[in-house]
Amino acid sequence: GIQVEQSPPDLILQEGANSTLRCNFSDSVNNLQWFHQNPWGQLINLFYIPSGTKQNGRLSATTVATERYSLLYISSSQTTDSGVYFCAGSYSGAGSYQLTFGKGTKLSVIP
Amino acid sequence: NAGVTQTPKFRVLKTGQSMTLLCAQDMNHEYMYWYRQDPGMGLRLIHYSVGEGTTAKGEVPDGYNVSRLKKQNFLLGLESAAPSQTSVYFCASSLGSGRMYFGPGTRLTVT
Repeated sequence: GIQVEQSPPDLILQEGANSTLRCNFSDSVNNLQWFHQNPWGQLINLFYIPSGTKQNGRLSATTVATERYSLLYISSSQTTDSGVYFCAGSYSGAGSYQLTFGKGTKLSVIP
Repeated sequence: NAGVTQTPKFRVLKTGQSMTLLCAQDMNHEYMYWYRQDPGMGLRLIHYSVGEGTTAKGEVPDGYNVSRLKKQNFLLGLESAAPSQTSVYFCASSLGSGRMYFGPGTRLTVT
């Protein structure tokens, strides 16, 4: 199956700083999603982004499918951005809709 | 519109006991999933369903059974709980291979 590698595993930011999180895939994907798990454990879908670039407020994501990676940008970070960010992917051409998750990037934003 | 809900939120079992976790969604999604989350392991797929009356094994299916008798419900059963099944269990749903939405999770401890 697809292997998903996320970097960095841990990140500490001062409030107001910008950051880039990376997700690499071992094989082609045509379904790629980013999630945020807040400190209370809730998983929120941030982006469905199999290719191209999308923006949602201070967050944006870019997927370069041909090179098998995706980036999540967080600008002007706030303490509420703290938590774990997961990327997940699958290739539905083989009839598989099972997303494989990376192990996450733990982000701590300090005031 | 409640999204994805899970029952119960917390449970403590003794080794060998059985229990059923209930997941319900009101978004008319065809696909439903059960994941488990363990420290440092990310999320791993247990079982999934692509429609009413269908189920399939995921990455870690041993020790679990599932049923999808109604489109809106997906049940996860543990017939004989083991300490290795101590985990946080998440249910999710999606419209085909689109965005995946998670429930709030069930924290299960097996002693």
